[in-house]
Amino acid sequence: AQSVAQPEDQVNVAEGNPLTVKCTYSVSGNPYLFWYVQYPNRGLQFLLKYITGDNLVKGSYGFEAEFNKSQTSFHLKKPSALVSDSALYFCAVRVDYNTDKLIFGTGTRLQVFP
Amino acid sequence: GAGVSQSPRYKVAKRGQDVALRCDPISGHVSLFWYQQALGQGPEFLTYFQNEAQLDKSGLPSDRFFAERPEGSVSTLKIQRTQQEDSAVYLCASSLEEASTDTQYFGPGTRLTVL
Repeated sequence: AQSVAQPEDQVNVAEGNPLTVKCTYSVSGNPYLFWYVQYPNRGLQFLLKYITGDNLVKGSYGFEAEFNKSQTSFHLKKPSALVSDSALYFCAVRVDYNTDKLIFGTGTRLQVFP
Repeated sequence: GAGVSQSPRYKVAKRGQDVALRCDPISGHVSLFWYQQALGQGPEFLTYFQNEAQLDKSGLPSDRFFAERPEGSVSTLKIQRTQQEDSAVYLCASSLEEASTDTQYFGPGTRLTVL
């Protein structure tokens, strides 16, 4: 069965330091991978996606993610964290047959301290 | 705004009541999705429309849940005889095309509380 794992419930980082939010996936076909961010009482905002091609994907607000097929990972990264990056981050996967639904991880809360 | 809108934003229902949640997708978007997000969890798929056709309803938890999109635009998610376990945030998303690679854009959600 398709699944997504976000092994860390919370990530703490000081402002200005690099951040990484981890995501691994398990799918039987070619994965299409997405990152979304959720602020309190708001819906999910799209950050970036990997479909094919270059393994390093750049997205909104300075975020990027690296697709690693051998490790089945799609970690979210940012070189220099901002306090305003504090939010809940979700990794999601969609496989390339029959269904268009997204399968989400349980989320990682990012806390950036000034 | 040109984003996905949902109404109401908050809904409190007594157990056993019926509720209807509305979603206005981005204009021109072909695909529409409903997800359920329980407290502290990631969103879980409920159902999917391509225009007015409901192509996947495998995520609907019971026959008390019903969704429609009669004219291929606005969608309504109806829950009959609500139960406490139905309490969650219901998210709607739309995407421009039918392709699996297309990005889903989410609305702000409707928070349903069943007392």
